[in-house]
Amino acid sequence: DIQMTQSPSSLSASVGDRVNITCRASQSITNSLNWYQQKPGKVPKLLIYGASSLQSGVPSRFSGSGSGTDFTLSITSLQPDDFATYYCQQSYITPYAFGQGTKLEIK
Amino acid sequence: QVQLHQWGAGLLKPSETLSLTCAVFGGSFNDYYWTWIRQPPGKGLEWIGDINPSGRTNYNPSLRSRATTSMATSKNQFSLRLTSVTAADTAIYYCARSPPLLTGTPFDCWGQGTLVTVSS
Repeated sequence: DIQMTQSPSSLSASVGDRVNITCRASQSITNSLNWYQQKPGKVPKLLIYGASSLQSGVPSRFSGSGSGTDFTLSITSLQPDDFATYYCQQSYITPYAFGQGTKLEIK
Repeated sequence: QVQLHQWGAGLLKPSETLSLTCAVFGGSFNDYYWTWIRQPPGKGLEWIGDINPSGRTNYNPSLRSRATTSMATSKNQFSLRLTSVTAADTAIYYCARSPPLLTGTPFDCWGQGTLVTVSS
């Protein structure tokens, strides 16, 4: 099975900052990597699919990059609404797997 | 706009069978893969399995063949059964949609989630 590892597990940042969250797959998954945002008590929300494509309705301050085994979710100019937990997910081969999550907190 | 609405029993005893159903409103049922995902309280997300328009299924081996997904296309519904539940199966269970023609085949639409608690 493919393992997904995110770093960091938690991150403190301020409104207006730029942050990067990384996700590493245990083997190549080409560009079959998706990113989700989840707020406490809420349903996960798709942000980025296919490593770099922005889901409709998602603000352009979110972007994704990478291929193979290493991927990055970048958020520029953090807004108060962005403080949440972020998950990567591989869809290259079943069993599909999520990273353990990165909790983004307000500094 | 597509909406997924799910329901099922929220409290089970050990060894019982979990049964959840998800109904799809406002969108095509036959053009997507339909997925179940769970999240133990305070923990991360785990993919359970999916079913495609032809009825082919995939499951997470970690569930040791306890999971079964099925669909009723005439009702735009799909279901999950998980047998022999234990406390380790306590989680919020989500149904979700996956468009197979979209790069990365992401989960782009989710049900509201159902908290299933297993306790004697």
